Amino acid sequence: EAGVAQSPRYKIIEKRQSVAFWCNPISGHATLYWYQQILGQGPKLLIQFQNNGVVDDSQLPKDRFSAERLKGVDSTLKIQPAKLEDSAVYLCASSLEPTSNQPQHFGDGTRLSIL
Amino acid sequence: AQSVAQPEDQVNVAEGNPLTVKCTYSVSGNPYLFWYVQYPNRGLQFLLKYITGDNLVKGSYGFEAEFNKSQTSFHLKKPSALVSDSALYFCAHSGEGSSNTGKLIFGQGTTLQVKP
Repeated sequence: EAGVAQSPRYKIIEKRQSVAFWCNPISGHATLYWYQQILGQGPKLLIQFQNNGVVDDSQLPKDRFSAERLKGVDSTLKIQPAKLEDSAVYLCASSLEPTSNQPQHFGDGTRLSIL
Repeated sequence: AQSVAQPEDQVNVAEGNPLTVKCTYSVSGNPYLFWYVQYPNRGLQFLLKYITGDNLVKGSYGFEAEFNKSQTSFHLKKPSALVSDSALYFCAHSGEGSSNTGKLIFGQGTTLQVKP
C-alpha cells in the first residue's frame, strides 16, 4: 500500500511570503491530520479533517494559516504571510477513522525554512 | 493540562544491551498511550499502543511497553538494542471516550543512541 505523500520535501522562503504544502493520504483513509513539528519538540496538531469537514482546528493560527480538503482526499495547508517562527517540519498523517483504535500513518513531511 | 513527559533528552546504550525510554503521563481517566519512532528526515512510524487490557504491550521491531497506573508511566523497552534502533522516540496520548477524536498529544521526544 502506498504511504502518505507530501510535497515539496523542502521549502525556503523569506518572511512575509506565502507558501503551500500538499498532502495525499493513504487511499480510503477518511481522517487527515496536519501537524507542526518545531525543532526539538514533538509534533503539534494544527488541524484535523474527517472527509472534507474540519474536526479540530483549535491550534491553527487562523490569521495566517489555512487548510482545505475539498473533495475529502488531498489536502493543502497554506501560510500567508509567513513569520520566522513558522520554520518547522509540517507533517501530514492519515488514518481509517478518527479514533485511537487506528494508528496514524505519517508522511515524510515538508521542511520549511523562513529567512 | 493533560500531557505526557519524556524526562530524558537522550539515552545512550551499547548494542546488545537492554534499553528503556521513559514516559510519564498526566491524563485523567483511562489514558490511551502510544509510542512512535522517527528516523532522520522521515515521518513518524507507529510502534505500539495501550488502550486497555494487558499492561504489557508488544509492538513492532521487538519493542514493548509497560503501562503502570500507580506510577503513571508507560516506558518503552527492548531486551537487546540494535544500532539500527538509533532514532528519535515520541510518547503520545489521546483522549478517551467521547473526547477520542484520534488527536495525538506528543511528548518532547527522546533521542536513542545505540553504539556498536
